[in-house]
Amino acid sequence: GEDVEQSLFLSVREGDSSVINCTYTDSSSTYLYWYKQEPGAGLQLLTYIFSNMDMKQDQRLTVLLNKKDKHLSLRIADTQTGDSAIYFCAESGSSASKIIFGSGTRLSIRP
Amino acid sequence: DGGITQSPKYLFRKEGQNVTLSCEQNLNHDAMYWYRQDPGQGLRLIYYSQIVNDFQKGDIAEGYSVSREKKESFPLTVTSAQKNPTAFYLCASSITQGARVTGELFFGEGSRLTVL
Repeated sequence: GEDVEQSLFLSVREGDSSVINCTYTDSSSTYLYWYKQEPGAGLQLLTYIFSNMDMKQDQRLTVLLNKKDKHLSLRIADTQTGDSAIYFCAESGSSASKIIFGSGTRLSIRP
Repeated sequence: DGGITQSPKYLFRKEGQNVTLSCEQNLNHDAMYWYRQDPGQGLRLIYYSQIVNDFQKGDIAEGYSVSREKKESFPLTVTSAQKNPTAFYLCASSITQGARVTGELFFGEGSRLTVL
């Protein structure tokens, strides 16, 4: 079935780059997403990548997609304390009405 | 401003009681969703609706019910049959037709339900 996996925790030093990784199983997914959730709040879309792209860059964010390995990553350059949050990887799956989420990676920033 | 409003933000319930969580959107989106979030488990889909007066079960629908009488509203009832209802509940909506469809979900701020 459809599944999205990501590690639960990541700790980085302020100013370093953060790389959050994700693997998915559904090769028919049209879109892959990264959502950010701050404490006690809903999710907000950070960025998405269309399945026929390899890379997408948006300011400090870089998304890399390896379709062969079904691997998606999110790189945050110059990580700041405001980047502390849970980051969810998600895929559009075989149905546009059903987006599959990973378990989320909690990013913590140390001084 | 357009968005999704969930209420209440915090809710306490005694065992055996039904509770209803409200979700309203003014984004003119056709599709609406309810997710449940538990620590370390990500988001699990409870119910979704792609059009008024129609809805489908998600992965964990047992013990929950919904209605979609208006496009803007998609309330979720947590019934006494739900064995472990303490969780954070998220409502979302999305565009499903037209050139701008990317599958992006727009989320509310969530409702935290605690069963005492």
